[in-house]
Amino acid sequence: GAVVSQHPSRVICKSGTSVKIECRSLDFQATTMFWYRQFPKQSLMLMATSNEGSKATYEQGVEKDKFLINHASLTLSTLTVTSAHPEDSSFYICSNLLRNRGYTDTQYFGPGTRLTVL
Amino acid sequence: GQSLEQPSEVTAVEGAIVQINCTYQTSGFYGLSWYQQHDGGAPTFLSYNALDGLEETGRFSSFLSRSDSYGYLLLQELQMKDSASYFCALFGGANNLFFGTGTRLTVIP
Repeated sequence: GAVVSQHPSRVICKSGTSVKIECRSLDFQATTMFWYRQFPKQSLMLMATSNEGSKATYEQGVEKDKFLINHASLTLSTLTVTSAHPEDSSFYICSNLLRNRGYTDTQYFGPGTRLTVL
Repeated sequence: GQSLEQPSEVTAVEGAIVQINCTYQTSGFYGLSWYQQHDGGAPTFLSYNALDGLEETGRFSSFLSRSDSYGYLLLQELQMKDSASYFCALFGGANNLFFGTGTRLTVIP
């Protein structure tokens, strides 16, 4: 499988501040990475698709000006939660896409970042 | 839109076999993936079915029937460490994943 890292693993911030989360693809170059959000005891919800060298594609209902995504290199995508509020507290997880031969493209997930906004 | 339904909770005995079902509605997809997630952790890839039929990977097997809009994950020789949440997910045209509601599996001695 592919290896994905995230930093930080946990962050606590005050309401109104901005938080940047880094997602790195460690063992291969990922032209496409994904950002998900998961609230307690709920499923993962796709927020956006991050494409290297171009603008991210956001899912319906996700504010692109609030959740800024930058994919400046083939191994790094960042998610910045701007002006965070308590309702943004969640588990943020990124993934990369490993393209295999045939029909076996697979997403591998990072360890996640738990954001708590006070 | 898309939707995937799974049982919310399943309990099984250590050493036994358990099947977690997933029914879905979608206008099109490439395949059905299965992920395991322990509390506080990230999802771990288990299995992927692009075609109908059974895929076997060690103690885990996954099945897909496109005509029935149905799939399942089969876990054999259950171990206590298998207690976790299991998600089915549709792998779509934009290479993204749409996750099911998740099934919390509890393995008891």
